[in-house]
Amino acid sequence: EDQVTQSPEALRLQEGESSSLNCSYTVSGLRGLFWYRQDPGKGPEFLFTLYSAGEEKEKERLKATLTKKESFLHITAPKPEDSATYLCAVQAPSSRAGNMLTFGGGTRLMVKP
Amino acid sequence: EPEVTQTPSHQVTQMGQEVILRCVPISNHLYFYWYRQILGQKVEFLVSFYNNEISEKSEIFDDQFSVERPDGSNFTLKIRSTKLEDSAMYFCASSAGQYMFAFFGQGTRLTVV
Repeated sequence: EDQVTQSPEALRLQEGESSSLNCSYTVSGLRGLFWYRQDPGKGPEFLFTLYSAGEEKEKERLKATLTKKESFLHITAPKPEDSATYLCAVQAPSSRAGNMLTFGGGTRLMVKP
Repeated sequence: EPEVTQTPSHQVTQMGQEVILRCVPISNHLYFYWYRQILGQKVEFLVSFYNNEISEKSEIFDDQFSVERPDGSNFTLKIRSTKLEDSAMYFCASSAGQYMFAFFGQGTRLTVV
């Protein structure tokens, strides 16, 4: 069974204080690892897809990296508008035309000015 | 920017009643999904739909649930006889390819009383 564990559950940062969020996963043959941002009461918003170990993706203050067992979302000099819950999800190969994502519990990030 | 549209944003229903949640996926996408998120819990996969049939479903998606694509633009989730534990945020999503990232809608908050 695919499993995704995110840590920490909650993270409080001062504006400008860089940090990293962790996503550990167990999956039989990773097809893709996805990072989403979720604001309260809203749907997940796509950030990155990573497909193979060693891959990195960047967008503004965010950088996602992938190893064979975990992924990190690095946040450089965060701003209050980066406050949100960050979700990690994995996808395993499917013999059928499915695209099931298994989500972690998320990291709730709060950035104070 | 393309978006997945869900209606209604909030629905309150009596236990035992049927509900239909509606979604308009992104127009050129081929894969459609329903996920749900019980308050404070993980996002959970319900079902994926491709080529006018269910391609994958989770254990949650029992006989009380059904999906339909009644025309070329809408995608619906029906719950035949709602239970209190069906109260959750339901997200519709769509993707252009099987292993591509999914766009999520803003969700329908279902409250069963």
